[in-house]
Formats: sequence, structure tokens, C-alpha cells
Amino acid sequence: QSALTQPASVSGSPGQSITISCTGTSSDVGRYNFVSWYQQHPGKAPKLMIYGVSNRPSGVSYRFSGSKSGNTASLTISGLQADDEADYYCSSYTSATWVFGGGTMLTVL
Amino acid sequence: QVQLHESGPGLVKPSETLSLTCTVSGDSSSRNYWSWIRQPPGKGLEWIGYIDYSGSTNYNPSLKSRINISMDMSKKQFSLNLRSVTAADTAVYYCASEGVFGEAVAFDSWGQGTLVTVSS
Repeated sequence: QSALTQPASVSGSPGQSITISCTGTSSDVGRYNFVSWYQQHPGKAPKLMIYGVSNRPSGVSYRFSGSKSGNTASLTISGLQADDEADYYCSSYTSATWVFGGGTMLTVL
Repeated sequence: QVQLHESGPGLVKPSETLSLTCTVSGDSSSRNYWSWIRQPPGKGLEWIGYIDYSGSTNYNPSLKSRINISMDMSKKQFSLNLRSVTAADTAVYYCASEGVFGEAVAFDSWGQGTLVTVSS
């Protein structure tokens, strides 16, 4: 069970859009639509931002969107705001277990 | 959603057993899976394992030989035991619950996390 692959860091200016990739295999991301994304601010617990590849829970801004193509899922944040600066983790279900990505630090310039 | 709260020792000696409990509050009637997830300082998240409503468990293969997850839902609690700990087990430990969203599931409820340090 290997961790999903995410870029270590991404950055963008306020108002811009950024995309974070999450690459897995045909046994996890490619096989199941149980990909989710979490936002984590320093010292806080993760917060669910996207579930089922592309769905937003109630209360999450429309600026957050998700997609998947093959073994790679993506999180896009549009209209970047200062409060979006955080770590982001993807996760996928795989054979009755869960695997997370290594995390991506988003810096809002 | 449900509310989750971890409790247990913040310091464990090497080779001993790490024991944590997660207390559940709120409406848990629709919740079927209860997980433990950890995060070493400055690193990413690692899923440890879950216990389901029937008491069946499933563990991360890399930790399977050292883990036991149990529950006592009469007390609305589930617990983690991790044996033979080393410094590499130092982490913030979270308990989490999967919410069901149609045909999808995801961790929508998390405890605040508790730091466990392994040191003599």
C-alpha cells in the first residue's frame, strides 16, 4: 500500500486558480470513485473539502472542485484567498483500506 | 455529523503499548466505520485502521502485526492499541468517522488529535 503522489508545494496569487494533482494506481484512484480531499491548517484537524472525486460537502465553497482522469485525481481552487493557504491531502479507498497522499503545501503569495 | 474526542497518555516508552480512546458524541446511528489516522510531526497523514459497526476490523498492512482496534459502543467509545512502539510511532493520532454521501464515503468527522511521543 503506497502513498498517493502529490506535489510537495504549489503557490498562487490571490484571485488566481491552482490545481493540485494526486497520482495513484489502477488499484486505488483508477479503480474507485472514492477519492476525497482534505484541507489542514497548522495545528488543526483535517477538514473534508471534496468527496466522491468531485462533490462538495455542505458549507464548502464553490471555489473548490475536483476531478479524475485515469489514475490521477485533481483538486482545483479558483479565486484564491489568503485563508486557502494550508496543506491539502488527497485520499483514496483501496481494497477495504484507505491511502493518503503525501500532502501539498499551498502558499498564497 | 458526530463529534469525536481522543484521550490517552501523551508519552509512551519505547517497546511499550500505546493506548488511545475515542469518545463519540452526537447522532452516530448512521455511522458504520470508525478509523484511526496518524500524522508524524511535519509529515503527512497515515491511515491506521478501522472497526465497523459489527466489530470487524481492517488494518494498514504496514502496521497490522502491532495493532488492535476495539469498541464499546454502549459507552460510545472505540480504542487503539499499538504494541512495541518506537520513536517512529511519535505522531498526532486522530480518530475519524466516515460519512456516507450517496454512494460515496469520506472522513467528514475528525477528533481534534492528540500528540503521542515515544521516548524514554
